[in-house]
Amino acid sequence: GESVGLHLPTLSVQEGDNSIINCAYSNSASDYFIWYKQESGKGPQFIIDIRSNMDKRQGQRVTVLLNKTVKHLSLQIAATQPGDSAVYFCAEKETSGSRLTFGEGTQLTVNP
Amino acid sequence: EPEVTQTPSHQVTQMGQEVILRCVPISNHLYFYWYRQILGQKVEFLVSFYNNEISEKSEIFDDQFSVERPDGSNFTLKIRSTKLEDSAMYFCASSRQGYYGYTFGSGTRLTVV
Repeated sequence: GESVGLHLPTLSVQEGDNSIINCAYSNSASDYFIWYKQESGKGPQFIIDIRSNMDKRQGQRVTVLLNKTVKHLSLQIAATQPGDSAVYFCAEKETSGSRLTFGEGTQLTVNP
Repeated sequence: EPEVTQTPSHQVTQMGQEVILRCVPISNHLYFYWYRQILGQKVEFLVSFYNNEISEKSEIFDDQFSVERPDGSNFTLKIRSTKLEDSAMYFCASSRQGYYGYTFGSGTRLTVV
């Protein structure tokens, strides 16, 4: 399953499927990007990050892709599990400063 | 695994009252932050703190907000005169460098009545 970010804030997939969550960013000065997972009542939990000098980075079951040309970031989750159900946020940071700017978030629901 | 600890987990206060939200960042981290999240909305930056002073703040962080690191372990956010619209989850975060290892606490839910 795949989301289109701001225009489709929910994504529902079957357990075992791959999920793709998308994020558009607008600040060309951003040089560092992070995906966070947020479960109900909890703080954002780091999933994976990527710097602007890379276009792909892989972790355990997750891959982040960065397309600076169109200012687009995606998170791919392989073999999605019910425990992956949460809201996923992308966040960006400018070259100068330390604040993170968060996107709107996508609610991922994994059906058993 | 080291974590950022926030207390209390939930605070209810009357409009106009002062509240202090407390955080214990990860011990070897040098940068400290406060973010807030109004219910159902995205996480918003409030302030960053480094070397005992504010390094960056957002337009949300007006004169009714202040931050302090009163000792070597705590980091606090004070809201002087709370308004209904201050109701939100407040997250503390810390990082070792300006961006690396950014870790969030579980948050304090502030309800202003």
